[in-house]
Amino acid sequence: AQSVTQLGSHVSVSEGALVLLRCNYSSSVPPYLFWYVQYPNQGLQLLLKYTTGATLVKGINGFEAEFKKSETSFHLTKPSAHMSDAAEYFCAVTVTTSGTYKYIFGTGTRLKVLA
Amino acid sequence: NAGVTQTPKFQVLKTGQSMTLQCAQDMNHNSMYWYRQDPGMGLRLIYYSASEGTTDKGEVPNGYNVSRLNKREFSLRLESAAPSQTSVYFCASSGLTGGRTEAFFGQGTRLTVV
Repeated sequence: AQSVTQLGSHVSVSEGALVLLRCNYSSSVPPYLFWYVQYPNQGLQLLLKYTTGATLVKGINGFEAEFKKSETSFHLTKPSAHMSDAAEYFCAVTVTTSGTYKYIFGTGTRLKVLA
Repeated sequence: NAGVTQTPKFQVLKTGQSMTLQCAQDMNHNSMYWYRQDPGMGLRLIYYSASEGTTDKGEVPNGYNVSRLNKREFSLRLESAAPSQTSVYFCASSGLTGGRTEAFFGQGTRLTVV
């Protein structure tokens, strides 16, 4: 079954430091992968997605992710963390069942940015 | 630009009470979803609807029912609320072109069952 695993439920970085949030997927077919961000008391907002084509995907707020088939990974990075990046981040994959599609989410990574 | 609208935003229920969470989208999407979010567990799919008139169980459907009233609206009903259903509930919708498009989320309903 297709799924995603996020390593690290909590990540802390200093302001200005590199942000790296890890996501690994399991899929027997080419996956469609997504990263979402959730700010406190809000819904989820799409950061970026990988469907086909270029394996390095750029998203909003300076985030990017690279699809690596050989490593079954889709890690999220940002070169320089900002205080406003503090939020929870979710990796997701679409799963097909009898021609219908649903989104399966990882357990999330809460990012803390230290001044 | 309303997107996905959920009502209510907050609700407190007593054990055994019933209630319906409402969700409406104005993006002409075919697919709609209900998730619950609990600490450390991410988002878990309760029910989904690929099109008007169809619904399917997700990962955690027990204790819930859904209705796809029309293309815009997808409601979630708790017939007899239990403390284990204390959670934040999110509705989402997507156009789903072969699974490639993203889901759009509402702002959530925070439900407490006492």
